[in-house]
Amino acid sequence: EAGVAQSPRYKIIEKRQSVAFWCNPISGHATLYWYQQILGQGPKLLIQFQNNGVVDDSQLPKDRFSAERLKGVDSTLKIQPAKLEDSAVYLCASSLGGGDEQFFGPGTRLTVL
Amino acid sequence: AQRVTQPEKLLSVFKGAPVELKCNYSYSGSPELFWYVQYSRQRLQLLLRHISRESIKGFTADLNKGETSFHLKKPFAQEEDSAMYYCALSRPTNAGKSTFGDGTTLTVKP
Repeated sequence: EAGVAQSPRYKIIEKRQSVAFWCNPISGHATLYWYQQILGQGPKLLIQFQNNGVVDDSQLPKDRFSAERLKGVDSTLKIQPAKLEDSAVYLCASSLGGGDEQFFGPGTRLTVL
Repeated sequence: AQRVTQPEKLLSVFKGAPVELKCNYSYSGSPELFWYVQYSRQRLQLLLRHISRESIKGFTADLNKGETSFHLKKPFAQEEDSAMYYCALSRPTNAGKSTFGDGTTLTVKP
């Protein structure tokens, strides 16, 4: 069984630029999560989808971050414009349903200069 | 608001010694609780969850609702247990918002 795929693996941008991350979850998983993990901290949930609907986005900085999950499969997370404090690893995970075991992708390491 | 606290950032033990990684949570209800582990250069992965009541790689975790704790224990640590451990909480529904602690780095010395 293929795991959760993410791209790119690394990205370096300058502040005020835009960036987008892509995630392909495990086939059949209804729930998809995007996390931000700042160095030395645990993963912080940014947004959680159930199929193509948003379950929780209370910690998503909506003035600059956006995410979509068209057709309830792949998902894209965008930052526009980026700030220095957005430097982090962005993790995508999926699960059969909310409250189930989450399977994580390898993450995208973003550096904002 | 739901919260997960792991009071120890770093924990170091010798091989063969018992180990306990602490996790405390706040949630007004019956949460789903998990321990995830990240070995060097690997993805974050599930170690165990409280409802399965399994022992994985010699680790166990008991949910104590009175103390709102879910500590992870192993009687005899091995060098291969060295990793980053995260405690996590989810609401037990499809609207199950997920919250992670900040993790504990366990080092098992030979």
